[in-house]
Amino acid sequence: EVQLVESGGGLVQPGRSLKLSCAASGFTFSNYYMAWVRQAPKKGLEWVATISTSGSRTYYPDSVKGRFTISRDNAKSSLYLQMNSLKSEDTATYYCARQKSFNYGSYYFDYWGQGVMVTVSS
Amino acid sequence: DTVLTQSPALAVSPGERVTISCRASESVSTGMHWYQQKPGQQPKLLIYGASNLESGVPARFSGSGSGTDFTLTIDPVEADDTATYFCQQSWNAWTFGGGTKLELK
Repeated sequence: EVQLVESGGGLVQPGRSLKLSCAASGFTFSNYYMAWVRQAPKKGLEWVATISTSGSRTYYPDSVKGRFTISRDNAKSSLYLQMNSLKSEDTATYYCARQKSFNYGSYYFDYWGQGVMVTVSS
Repeated sequence: DTVLTQSPALAVSPGERVTISCRASESVSTGMHWYQQKPGQQPKLLIYGASNLESGVPARFSGSGSGTDFTLTIDPVEADDTATYFCQQSWNAWTFGGGTKLELK
């Protein structure tokens, strides 16, 4: 059974940093792209970051580029999100998600974790 | 960025057929996927590649479309289908629609 378990969330002041972790099990972690997706309270879903199988390629939307860094440790089947210079608009539930390809270069999110809450407030 | 537009809400009666639409601001070919999210839960994949049913998802759910216009159909609708449905494109990075909240009468 595929399982994705996030941790590391909490309350943090604006401008500070936080690192999220995601422990994966039930599949060969190193074979899959992985991603973080967030959801602000009562809002829709926003893709935050994607990392390739080896970790050599990373992708971000403009809203977090230069502030967030996605990384992975295939030996530990773990995914990370380092969030720096946090803003109030980063307040959201952050989901770890596995990405699967159905066409070359086209990936969707087939499994999601339960999510972890990050609140940015003074 | 590729913007996905969904109608915000729909209300239908159990047993009826419902179609949820998603329009992309530019062509995404068949790189469109659909998710169901119930309150307090993580999203769940329903349809990938515009029309492919994810394993374990009831055959009441189906998807169609290509280019810029896509549809998720539920037929017949059951009470358990009360949820918010999101479309998502993977042709140009990854973006989500705003979601359509489905309520049952």
